[in-house]
Amino acid sequence: EDQVTQSPEALRLQEGESSSLNCSYTVSGLRGLFWYRQDPGKGPEFLFTLYSAGEEKEKERLKATLTKKESFLHITAPKPEDSATYLCAVQNLDSGGSNYKLTFGKGTLLTVNP
Amino acid sequence: NAGVTQTPKFQVLKTGQSMTLQCAQDMNHNSMYWYRQDPGMGLRLIYYSASEGTTDKGEVPNGYNVSRLNKREFSLRLESAAPSQTSVYFCASHSGLIRGDQPQHFGDGTRLSIL
Repeated sequence: EDQVTQSPEALRLQEGESSSLNCSYTVSGLRGLFWYRQDPGKGPEFLFTLYSAGEEKEKERLKATLTKKESFLHITAPKPEDSATYLCAVQNLDSGGSNYKLTFGKGTLLTVNP
Repeated sequence: NAGVTQTPKFQVLKTGQSMTLQCAQDMNHNSMYWYRQDPGMGLRLIYYSASEGTTDKGEVPNGYNVSRLNKREFSLRLESAAPSQTSVYFCASHSGLIRGDQPQHFGDGTRLSIL
């Protein structure tokens, strides 16, 4: 059974204070690891997909990295508008094409204070 | 640029009442999904439809039924609502292509309270 564990559950930062969110996963074969952002009252919004260990992707102040056991979402010099819940999800190699399914972690609630 | 549209946005039901949650996507996606999101539990898959005419159970299907009405629409029905079904329900869609780099796209949810 695929499992995704995110830590910490909640993180409070001052504006400009860089930090990282962790996503640890257990999956028989990883097809892809996905990061989403979720604002209050909204649905998850796609950020990144990572496929293989060593891969990195960046978008503005966010950078996602992947190892064989975990992924990190690094937030550099965050701003209050980065406040949101960040979700991590994995797709198993057995779940491709028409059998595409994701297993989600419980998320990290990030609050950035001005 | 609607993407995935869910109706209603909010609903309050009494125990035992029935209700259908509606979802429509305009991205010509093949696959559609229903999730529920509860505090401390994360997103859990209820049912999904890999393509028009097919549906399959997810992790927590008990108490729910689904209908893939056509390629655009996927509905979720609660036949006899229970307080344990109080949750936020999200619909998502996916292209269904074999390529793994296609993300799921989500609607903004239906907030359902059952008294």
